[in-house]
This record gives sequence, C-alpha cells and structure tokens, in this order.
Amino acid sequence: QQQVKQSPQSLIVQKGGIPIINCAYENTAFDYFPWYQQFPGKGPALLIAIRPDVSEKKEGRFTISFNKSAKQFSLHIMDSQPGDSATYFCAASRGRRGGSEKLVFGKGTKLTVNP
Amino acid sequence: GAGVSQTPSNKVTEKGKYVELRCDPISGHTALYWYRQSLGQGPEFLIYFQGTGAADDSGLPNDRFFAVRPEGSVSTLKIQRTERGDSAVYLCASSLGLAGGVQETQYFGPGTRLLVL
Repeated sequence: QQQVKQSPQSLIVQKGGIPIINCAYENTAFDYFPWYQQFPGKGPALLIAIRPDVSEKKEGRFTISFNKSAKQFSLHIMDSQPGDSATYFCAASRGRRGGSEKLVFGKGTKLTVNP
Repeated sequence: GAGVSQTPSNKVTEKGKYVELRCDPISGHTALYWYRQSLGQGPEFLIYFQGTGAADDSGLPNDRFFAVRPEGSVSTLKIQRTERGDSAVYLCASSLGLAGGVQETQYFGPGTRLLVL
C-alpha cells in the first residue's frame, strides 16, 4: 500500500524552466508535508515543508502548492538551475499530535536541469 | 555544528552474516529514526527512538532486525542472518524531540550502503 504517490518518476528541463513535481496522499490524518532533496551519495535534506492550514508556501525559488480537498500537493522550482539536478522526495507525517513522527515518502523524482 | 554521522559508509557482507550499523545523531537531539532506502525508491521507516526507548518499531521488517540506543545518543541497527534482499542504504535521522505539537525537521545522515553477497 503506497500512502504517498509521486509523479513523474523523472523530469528533464532546460535552465530557467519551472519543473513541477506532484504528490497525492491517502491518509487524512497526515498534517505535515515536507519535500526533501537528495544528491547522489548523500542523505536527503529538507527543502521546504507545509501544513494543511495554508494553500501555498514559498521559500526562495521553491514553492509548495497544497490542495487539501484533493489530497494533493506539488513542488514548483522557479528559474531552475543545473545545480538543482537531484532527486526530490515528497513525504507526509501525522506530526506530533497523532502519534509517531515517522515520515512516509514518495518514490522520488529524478530532476535533470540542462544548461 | 556536526550533522548526523553514520559508520561505516559502506559495508559488504556475505549472506547469513551479522552486521551492525552505527548512527551518531546531532548533539542534543533526543529523537532518532532509522530508514531504509532501496535503489530507486524513497526511504522507508524502520524504527523511531525517543530517548533510550523505541517509541515505534512498526517498520522493522522481521525479527532479524533490531536496534538499540542504550544511552539516548548513539544508536546501532543490528541485522542478523543477512539476506541478499537486505541490500540497501540504511539512513539515520535525528530531530530535537521536544514535547509539544510541532512537527520537527528530521536531519538525515549520509547513510550506510549495505551489500549482501
């Protein structure tokens, strides 16, 4: 049972483009939705996170859009750069109010930004 | 300051052997998590410690897997009678572990790449 579904599996854009990665979740108890960035040979690093009480959050060139009714959220990368080439994971958690803090991850999207 | 560190960075073992993987969390972090990441997949939760106790071990796949954190800092993931299917990157993460209703950022280590031949 895959609780967080992520698409696309891979994505290639030109420098300056706006890649969009989508995720959908099933468990309505989830209330914390982070995005992690992972470079080869490294552990995942938190990029940006959102709670369901807001529909959008921006941090620098990264924006999360959240649709609670559709149980979907997406990551947009503005003015993408070759250095953004990495694998991106969405995740979800019940946070501290509903029990354990374990993160449930999507399968990842490998992003390539060509110069 | 130093991040989460994991040793060894790579481990090659033979089927049936016993392995131990070590995690040093960020100093002062009381919450510690183990995840397993198979090739081309997202990390999958194994176990979560709050202090010395395992608060949630629901992700451990079977009784060959065991983890300890005896002094509430360093943790060791132990795998008995390893199988080829255990080959993966084992990630450790830590967070502050403060009481309250706020989800904390989990900081991941670089992982241990385990290969079972």
